[in-house]
Amino acid sequence: AQSVAQPEDQVNVAEGNPLTVKCTYSVSGNPYLFWYVQYPNRGLQFLLKYITGDNLVKGSYGFEAEFNKSQTSFHLKKPSALVSDSALYFCAVRDDSGGGADGLTFGKGTHLIIQP
Amino acid sequence: GAGVSQSPSNKVTEKGKDVELRCDPISGHTALYWYRQSLGQGLEFLIYFQGNSAPDKSGLPSDRFSAERTGGSVSTLTIQRTQQEDSAVYLCASSRTGGAGQPQHFGDGTRLSIL
Repeated sequence: AQSVAQPEDQVNVAEGNPLTVKCTYSVSGNPYLFWYVQYPNRGLQFLLKYITGDNLVKGSYGFEAEFNKSQTSFHLKKPSALVSDSALYFCAVRDDSGGGADGLTFGKGTHLIIQP
Repeated sequence: GAGVSQSPSNKVTEKGKDVELRCDPISGHTALYWYRQSLGQGLEFLIYFQGNSAPDKSGLPSDRFSAERTGGSVSTLTIQRTQQEDSAVYLCASSRTGGAGQPQHFGDGTRLSIL
């Protein structure tokens, strides 16, 4: 079975400071990892993904994420936070082993609050 | 181009009634997914379609839930004899193919409230 943990329900960051939203995962095979963002009363918006290759992946709106296989982590980062980054962030995983579900497995989500 | 479209955006119904939710995926996307988002359970995968067939129904919570997809496009999720625990936001997503590395693109969801 596959699972995702987002250990922080909420992260508070001052505008202009770097931000990190944490994610760890568990899968049987190789992981396909994703980050999504959700604004109030909207669906999920794709930010970035890791499939293979460079451990640092860059995505939309200046976000990036670092894949760490030994720590089974995929933390989301941004060098300088904007107030408009305030939203709910989800980490998700899918298994390439063929034995897992065909849908994404999501973490519980982390509320990111950027303070002016 | 147009994104994933879901209707209705909100649905309020009485316990015991049947409801039908609709999803119109991005044109050309062969894979379609349904998820449920609730405060208690977070985001749960319900069902996956590749074309018109559903190889994975593992997430459907009970036999009151069913889904179909016709013409490789529009999908409907039907909940029969609704219960209060069915109250949630139902999200639909599509991707270009069913490959595990394909990003899924989500609609804005249908907020279902069971009185």
